[in-house]
Amino acid sequence: DAGVTQSPTHLIKTRGQQVTLRCSPKSGHDTVSWYQQALGQGPQFIFQYYEEEERQRGNFPDRFSGHQFPNYSSELNVNALLLGDSALYLCASSFYGDSLETQYFGPGTRLLVL
Amino acid sequence: EDQVTQSPEALRLQEGESSSLNCSYTVSGLRGLFWYRQDPGKGPEFLFTLYSAGEEKEKERLKATLTKKESFLHITAPKPEDSATYLCAVQARWGSQGNLIFGKGTKLSVKP
Repeated sequence: DAGVTQSPTHLIKTRGQQVTLRCSPKSGHDTVSWYQQALGQGPQFIFQYYEEEERQRGNFPDRFSGHQFPNYSSELNVNALLLGDSALYLCASSFYGDSLETQYFGPGTRLLVL
Repeated sequence: EDQVTQSPEALRLQEGESSSLNCSYTVSGLRGLFWYRQDPGKGPEFLFTLYSAGEEKEKERLKATLTKKESFLHITAPKPEDSATYLCAVQARWGSQGNLIFGKGTKLSVKP
């Protein structure tokens, strides 16, 4: 049973550029959440997608946007990159019908902005 | 404001030396509390879900407990392979439902 997968594993960008990160959920899951984890900190919620719509959003600027496809996979887009966007970006998947929607995480994408 | 505080920030143990990690939380109605393990540069690995005060869950050398204000992760006779950062997260019943609110984690080092 394949778990959550993310690509790419590492990425280096310069300030002002745009980046797209990708996530495939665990088999049987229909909901995808994205988190940003700075070094030494806990993950911070960016947004969650269900049925191809943004269901909930955390305290992140509009530079952060996302999309969910009919096969439940998802993309996170970040425009006008800042140095402070350097972090580990985590995707988590869950099943909406599960009473607690336990979230399972992928390995993450390490983004470095120079 | 919903928040999670974990202590200590770092913990060094000798192999076989049991101890506990603390997770204190403030949330507008607890839907669930989650424990994850995270190895360096990797994504968090799910360990436990706790739903209500008094509940306990066990897995190998780990045991998680929950009260109305905090949760403990007890580690019995730890081994070096238990070294990792342990993250606690809560999910609120209302408002931020679906969103996990994480603490900063406790970095555990177990020396042989």
